[in-house]
Amino acid sequence: EPEVTQTPSHQVTQMGQEVILRCVPISNHLYFYWYRQILGQKVEFLVSFYNNEISEKSEIFDDQFSVERPDGSNFTLKIRSTKLEDSAMYFCASNKEKETQYFGPGTRLLVL
Amino acid sequence: KQEVTQIPAALSVPEGENLVLNCSFTDSAIYNLQWFRQDPGKGLTSLLLIQSSQREQTSGRLNASLDKSSGRSTLYIAASQPGDSATYLCAVLAGFQKLVFGTGTRLLVSP
Repeated sequence: EPEVTQTPSHQVTQMGQEVILRCVPISNHLYFYWYRQILGQKVEFLVSFYNNEISEKSEIFDDQFSVERPDGSNFTLKIRSTKLEDSAMYFCASNKEKETQYFGPGTRLLVL
Repeated sequence: KQEVTQIPAALSVPEGENLVLNCSFTDSAIYNLQWFRQDPGKGLTSLLLIQSSQREQTSGRLNASLDKSSGRSTLYIAASQPGDSATYLCAVLAGFQKLVFGTGTRLLVSP
């Protein structure tokens, strides 16, 4: 059964450094998403991406964040200058329109 | 703004019991509702999706119902097993693509 995959599984970085989180969505899906979950809190929507552009973003997704689909398979989330409060589990998801969103296993990001 | 609440926050039952998890949402204008399972430190596994026009969905021992007008959904788990121990998350599709999640119910099924 096809799965969403994410790399790396864990990332430790220093405050102010740039990080890139990578995802490979399910191959025939058209909509891609990033969510995050701060430890002990709700899963929060960050951004959705369709047809090579952002279709919706939350207030969390400020200028420090960007997304890209650099080729036909990868979908990336870049945080330009990480802050302590960016420490969270980041989930990638994909789907066809308004159908079940399938989530990856997550990348645990720790900013020191 | 859509808010999703889940009760109880935690539930502990002996193996074999039937149980009900509750989810409520404040804005009934939803496209669908998904139930997920999350194991500690892991990703989200989709269990069931109910479209806004549907009343319930079943998968194995799981049955989810939706009452859109009252802003409520329930997840019924029959004959619970220790392997069902996990956090169960409810999420509504609010707007075009954004899932809004509840805080979850942490379930422990003891042998």
